[in-house]
Amino acid sequence: DAGITQSPRHKVTETGTPVTLRCHQTENHRYMYWYRQDPGHGLRLIHYSYGVKDTDKGEVSDGYSVSRSKTEDFLLTLESATSSQTSVYFCAINPAGGSDEQYFGPGTRLTVT
Amino acid sequence: QQQVKQSPQSLIVQKGGIPIINCAYENTAFDYFPWYQQFPGKGPALLIAIRPDVSEKKEGRFTISFNKSAKQFSLHIMDSQPGDSATYFCAARASPSGTYKYIFGTGTRLKVLA
Repeated sequence: DAGITQSPRHKVTETGTPVTLRCHQTENHRYMYWYRQDPGHGLRLIHYSYGVKDTDKGEVSDGYSVSRSKTEDFLLTLESATSSQTSVYFCAINPAGGSDEQYFGPGTRLTVT
Repeated sequence: QQQVKQSPQSLIVQKGGIPIINCAYENTAFDYFPWYQQFPGKGPALLIAIRPDVSEKKEGRFTISFNKSAKQFSLHIMDSQPGDSATYFCAARASPSGTYKYIFGTGTRLKVLA
C-alpha cells in the first residue's frame, strides 16, 4: 500500500456541511493526488500536489479545495458538501524520482444526504 | 484532447479465454500508459505499464499492445482465471512542466467464469 492511509474511511454528512478528508503518507513522496470514483466515470482527478504548498487543479476541481502544509499530509476539503459529491475518494502518490508508478490509498466512501 | 476512451464497459469470458480491453487517446504528449486492476472495496493497483516507444510489453499473463500511429493501446489477459475478475482501468500520463498528471479511462468490469 506504499504507506498511504486515508481518514476517515467512511463518512455520512448532510448537504451544506464542510468536510475534510485526509491523506497521509509515510515515505516522503513529492507527488500526491486526489481522485473521485463514480460508476461510469472511472477515476477523475480533483487536485494534485507536486510539493509542499504546490498544488494544481484537476479535471473536476469545482467545489473542492486542497492544502498541503507538510510533505506527509494532503487534505481535501469540501467547503459546503452537495449530494453530487457523494463518491468514493482515493488518494494516490507518485514516488517520481525515477519511478513512474502511482500507488493508491484504500479510499474514503463519502455520502452526502 | 485530454480524454482516454476505454471499451468495452463490461466483459464476460470463460476460464482460459483471452479478454481484450481497448483504450484510445488524442493527446500525443502523453508519455506513459499504465493499466490498473481494482477489486471491490480496494484501491486500484498498478498491473502493467508501457511507454510510447515500445509496441508490446508482457508481464506474466498480461500483455499491453501499443499502436502509436493509431493512438490506441490494449490489454490482453492470457489464460484468464476467475481470480482475474475485477475492474480494469487504462490511464495516460502527461508531464507538463515536470509535474505528473494522469487521465483514466472509464473502466472495464471483467468477469471470468469458472
